[in-house]
This record gives sequence, C-alpha cells and structure tokens, in this order.
Amino acid sequence: EAGVTQSPRYAVLQEGQAVSFWCDPISGHDTLYWYQQPRDQGPQLLVYFRDEAVIDNSQLPSDRFSAVRPKGTNSTLKIQSAKQGDTATYLCASSPSGQFSNERLFFGHGTKLSVL
Amino acid sequence: GDSVTQKEGLVTLTEGLPVMLNCTYQTIYSNAFLFWYVHYLNESPRLLLKSSTDNKRTEHQGFHATLHKSSSSFHLQKSSAQLSDSALYYCALSDLYGSSGNKLIFGIGTLLSVKP
Repeated sequence: EAGVTQSPRYAVLQEGQAVSFWCDPISGHDTLYWYQQPRDQGPQLLVYFRDEAVIDNSQLPSDRFSAVRPKGTNSTLKIQSAKQGDTATYLCASSPSGQFSNERLFFGHGTKLSVL
Repeated sequence: GDSVTQKEGLVTLTEGLPVMLNCTYQTIYSNAFLFWYVHYLNESPRLLLKSSTDNKRTEHQGFHATLHKSSSSFHLQKSSAQLSDSALYYCALSDLYGSSGNKLIFGIGTLLSVKP
C-alpha cells in the first residue's frame, strides 16, 4: 500500500515569495490534515478536510495561507507571501473514516520550508 | 485549552538501560485519548501506542504506557533500550467530544538518543 506522498521535500524562498505544497493521501482515506511543525516544536494543526469539505481551518493564517482539496483526494497548501516565521516542516496526514479516525493518522515525509 | 507537556527535550541513554519518557496533559474533558507517535530519521511519523482506558497498560513493539487520568499522565516506557530506538517521540492528546474535537494536540517531542 502506498503511503502519503508529499512534494516537494524541500523549499527555500525569499520573504514575499509564494509556494505551494502538494499532498496525495492514502487511497480511500477521506480525512486529510495539514500540520505545521516549527523547529523544536510538535506538529500544530493548520487545517483538515473530510472529503472536499474544510472541517476546521481555525488555525490557518487566512491572510496568506490557503488550502484546497477539490475532489476529495489530493490537496494543495499554498502560502501567498512567505515570512521568515513560516520556516517549518509542513506535514500532511490522512486517515480513514470512523468515529476515532484521528487514532490512525498516517503521515507523509513532510516538506521542509526555509524562508530567508 | 487542551495541552500536552513533554518536559524532556532530549534523553540520552546507554543501550540496555530502561526508558521512560514523560508525558502529562491538560484537558477539562473526561474522554481523553492519548497517543505516542514515533519519528525515525528519514521516515514519516507513525503511531506507536494509543489509549483511552484509565489504568490499563497498552503495549506495542516492546514499549508500554498506562493512562492515569488521576495524574493526567501517559508516560512511555521500555525495559531495555536498543540502539534502534533512537528517534523523536511525540505524545499527543485528543478529546473527541471536547475542545480539540477530532484533532490531535501534540507535545514538543522528546528526542531519545541511545548510545552503545
């Protein structure tokens, strides 16, 4: 079974540039999560979807960050105008449906972003 | 709001010695689910252990943990450390019917380094 695939693995930007991260979840997983993990911190949820619907984006900085999952499969997270404080690893995770779906999070390798 | 505390950022052990990684949590809701995720270098984070049952020991791959709701703790233990246990360990909390809903709150992680 293929795991969660993320690309790119690394990104280096100047402040003000835009960047997009792509995630392909495990086939059949209806829930998809984007986490931000700054250096020396644990993952912090940005947004999650069930199918194509956003369930919770309360921690997503809406002025510069956006996330979509138009067909309920792949997802894209975009930063419009990156800041140095966005330097972090961005993790995508998926899980199958179920009452306790977050028990079975499957993570990708992450995208390591450096904003200079 | 909910929170998870992992007091040790780094634990260094000699192979063969017992492992104990501390995790305490805070939630006002009684339906807490606690998890340990492990992140090996160059791999994706993956679930190691989970529990929602008070005072019941849960085991996997030689590691064990017991959820103690009275002390809000879920410490990870192993009787004898192996070199291959070197990794980053995250404790995480979900209170399905409470403020965090169907999402995980992670601690900052503990890096376990096992030396020969």
